[in-house]
Amino acid sequence: GEQVEQRPPHLSVREGDSAVITCTYTDPNSYYFFWYKQEPGASLQLLMKVFSSTEINEGQGFTVLLNKKDKRLSLNLTAAHPGDSAAYFCAVSARTGGADRLTFGKGTQLIIQP
Amino acid sequence: DAGVTQTPRHEVAEKGQTIILKCEPVSGHNDLFWYRQTKIQGLELLSYFRSKSLMEDGGAFKDRFKAEMLNSSFSTLKIQPTEPKDSAVYLCASSLEGLGYNYAEQFFGPGTRLTVL
Repeated sequence: GEQVEQRPPHLSVREGDSAVITCTYTDPNSYYFFWYKQEPGASLQLLMKVFSSTEINEGQGFTVLLNKKDKRLSLNLTAAHPGDSAAYFCAVSARTGGADRLTFGKGTQLIIQP
Repeated sequence: DAGVTQTPRHEVAEKGQTIILKCEPVSGHNDLFWYRQTKIQGLELLSYFRSKSLMEDGGAFKDRFKAEMLNSSFSTLKIQPTEPKDSAVYLCASSLEGLGYNYAEQFFGPGTRLTVL
């Protein structure tokens, strides 16, 4: 089955700096890709999504890059601020048996230092 | 509109007890998922229902974990008997069945934090 590896598990950057989180996956049939944000004590909130190959999606200060050839997904934060401190999870979806099944990375704990 | 609701938010159990976690999906959604979240394993799928029918029962979680969906607006996850290694956050998510190439986004509840002593 699908395996998703997310790096790094922990990331600390200063306010205003950039940050990059990367996921690699194994199933070439995967076709939907997501980033979720989880603040302490809260549930997962969908942050961004991409569908097409080699797509860039921007919003909320983040850029998502998908490279299907390399089976790699990245989340780039261009200018971190304290509200970005949270856990981030990538998720990869493939349709199996008519259902969209999500496989998650193990998460990255992002800390923004003042 | 109400999102996915889960109760209780926190549960403490003694080893060997039976606990039941509850989930109400988003109204109108027909897919429901139970996940377990731990720091070591991340998010693991426990069960998946489509229109109340159990589609996937999570393989390794079959022996002590039982999810049920008796109606379209309510699901339970029973753990019997509980063990300390079951301590985790249990998340419920729901979605509206994706048709064609439309992706069915999953909406997550706030989770139940289970501690087994």
